[in-house]
Amino acid sequence: NAGVMQNPRHLVRRRGQEARLRCSPMKGHSHVYWYRQLPEEGLKFMVYLQKENIIDESGMPKERFSAEFPKEGPSILRIQQVVRGDSAAYFCASFETGNTEAFFGQGTRLTVV
Amino acid sequence: AQSVAQPEDQVNVAEGNPLTVKCTYSVSGNPYLFWYVQYPNRGLQFLLKYITGDNLVKGSYGFEAEFNKSQTSFHLKKPSALVSDSALYFCAVRDLDSGGYQKVTFGTGTKLQVIP
Repeated sequence: NAGVMQNPRHLVRRRGQEARLRCSPMKGHSHVYWYRQLPEEGLKFMVYLQKENIIDESGMPKERFSAEFPKEGPSILRIQQVVRGDSAAYFCASFETGNTEAFFGQGTRLTVV
Repeated sequence: AQSVAQPEDQVNVAEGNPLTVKCTYSVSGNPYLFWYVQYPNRGLQFLLKYITGDNLVKGSYGFEAEFNKSQTSFHLKKPSALVSDSALYFCAVRDLDSGGYQKVTFGTGTKLQVIP
């Protein structure tokens, strides 16, 4: 059973470009979280998704950021018109329905130049 | 609203000595508590969790955590530290009684440095 898969592991974008981060949850998991981690800082919650639904997006900036988790395929975190401040590690975690722990992917490290 | 506090940014301990990484939480209902570890340039790995039952929870790599409801704490412990335990440790909480869907809130992390 493969773990949570994130790709790409590293992504470099120029200011103004779009960044698209992908997360394939563990098999059987229908819930996904996205978190952002800045260097030497903790994890900041961004968005909580269930398949085809956004449950909680209170941590996601209102502009330029969007997330989806379609019925088929991976969850996507999309950042439009990236700025230097978007440079961070973005982690996805998935879990089953119910009170279980979340399993994390290895993260995507976004660098905006 | 739920929250987690990890009061120490860094903990230093000599190899072979016992270690404690502190965590306190705040939820309106009953807590569902976790500890995760993060090694450099890696994702978070699950260590252990508490839902109900015995207040002392045992997890991976010899770690354990003690749930204390009156002090709203969930400190991570290990009897004898190893150099390989050096990493970033995160405490997290979810409110079991809030109903519906609830996000998991993480603390800011504590860097553990085990000195040879």
